[in-house]
Amino acid sequence: QVQLVQSGAEVKKPESSVKVSCKASGGTFNFVIGWVRQVPGQGLEWMGGIMPSFGAANYAQKFQGRLTITADESTSTAYMELSSLRSEDTAVYYCAKETGFSGNGAFDIWGQGTMVTVSS
Amino acid sequence: SYVLTQPPSVSVAPGKTARITCGGDNIGNKNVHWYQQKPGQAPVLVIYYDTDRPSGIPERFSGSNSAGSNSGNTATLTISRVEAGDEADYYCQVWDSSSDHRVFGGGTKLTVL
Repeated sequence: QVQLVQSGAEVKKPESSVKVSCKASGGTFNFVIGWVRQVPGQGLEWMGGIMPSFGAANYAQKFQGRLTITADESTSTAYMELSSLRSEDTAVYYCAKETGFSGNGAFDIWGQGTMVTVSS
Repeated sequence: SYVLTQPPSVSVAPGKTARITCGGDNIGNKNVHWYQQKPGQAPVLVIYYDTDRPSGIPERFSGSNSAGSNSGNTATLTISRVEAGDEADYYCQVWDSSSDHRVFGGGTKLTVL
């Protein structure tokens, strides 16, 4: 059974960047990984995803230009880097494994979440 | 971009049936997934591909999805014999094939009276 373990909480200054990692264990690193964030008190928001073996990432329009999703197959780790941080980016960031490869899959396994706080 | 609409809240008495809807344009032509999220926890998949239930999810959870005049382009998560432990936020999610983006509904808070 695949497990996803994320890096720890971060506190960042406005205009800086944050990079969150998501390490997979217990299976082959051969699935789409999505990143989903949740602003405190609000709903789930899909940010983007990557298929590690393909390398190319797919981003929600809202985050184009500020978001970079990468994956390292040698360490079974995916990364989400968000730049030009502002207070509205304060949120819990989740990585999640997607079933299937067509884009139509569900997020069946989730990381524990990483709290990112943006504050001066 | 594709939009999914959920009621903000649903209330139900213990032992009764809760129905949470998810509306979207021609949603009957898409596969809908449902997640349960309790406070301070990561979401958990409870229904996938409209009607399938992951192992470990009680049979009390079921899903439906159909287009047409009767259903009004709505997918529904049904929780039978509701228990206090079912109190949580529930989210629907689909794949928007035109953009290759995943879309979540706004979420529904289920309150067990």
